[in-house]
Amino acid sequence: DIVMTQSPDSLAVSLGERATINCKSSQSVFYSSNNKNLLAWYQHKPGQPPRLLIYWASTRDSGVPDRFSGSGSGTDFTLTISSLQAEDVAVYYCQQYYSPPRTFGQGTKVEIK
Amino acid sequence: QVQLQQSGPGLVKPSQVLSLTCAISGDSVSSNGAAWTWIRHSPSRGLEWLGRTYYTSKWNSDYAESVRGRITINADTSKNQFSLQMNSMTPEDTAMYYCTRERGNVYQYWGQGTLVTVSS
Repeated sequence: DIVMTQSPDSLAVSLGERATINCKSSQSVFYSSNNKNLLAWYQHKPGQPPRLLIYWASTRDSGVPDRFSGSGSGTDFTLTISSLQAEDVAVYYCQQYYSPPRTFGQGTKVEIK
Repeated sequence: QVQLQQSGPGLVKPSQVLSLTCAISGDSVSSNGAAWTWIRHSPSRGLEWLGRTYYTSKWNSDYAESVRGRITINADTSKNQFSLQMNSMTPEDTAMYYCTRERGNVYQYWGQGTLVTVSS
């Protein structure tokens, strides 16, 4: 199985400041046939199901604010929240879909400083 | 708009069977290109993919190695829903269970979640 490792486990950021979450996969998730990285990001708030934010490592899902962006390739990826809002407090997960079984990172908890 | 509505008990005794159902609206359980999936979340294990069922020219199912042999995911086309059955439940299976639709290998639509507690 591909192991996904996120860092840090938690971070506290002031409102309006940038939050950066890293995700590393144990093997490359770059699919050469379509030139895309098979990686997604989800936001998980208490009492709600996870919400898909980003797929193909950098494509925002419909309705996701543009303060959320994804980058990276191969084995190293980043989710950036450019200007943290109160409603962004959540746990964020990366997920690979390069090979079965689909695996998730352990999660990064984002809080307000 | 796809909606998934989960039903089933929130309390299961050790060694017994968990049965959850996910009713689909806005899509078909037989939809080409979709896979109907169960994922659980617990503080100790995070998000864990459990398995899925999907239709190509026949019904297929895939299961996580961690639960293989204990889990069955089935589709019911007459009711447009799918189900999860997991036997030999233990306290380690206590988690929030979600049904979700996989399309394009990602999970855009989710059920509301069912908190399953395994306790006598």
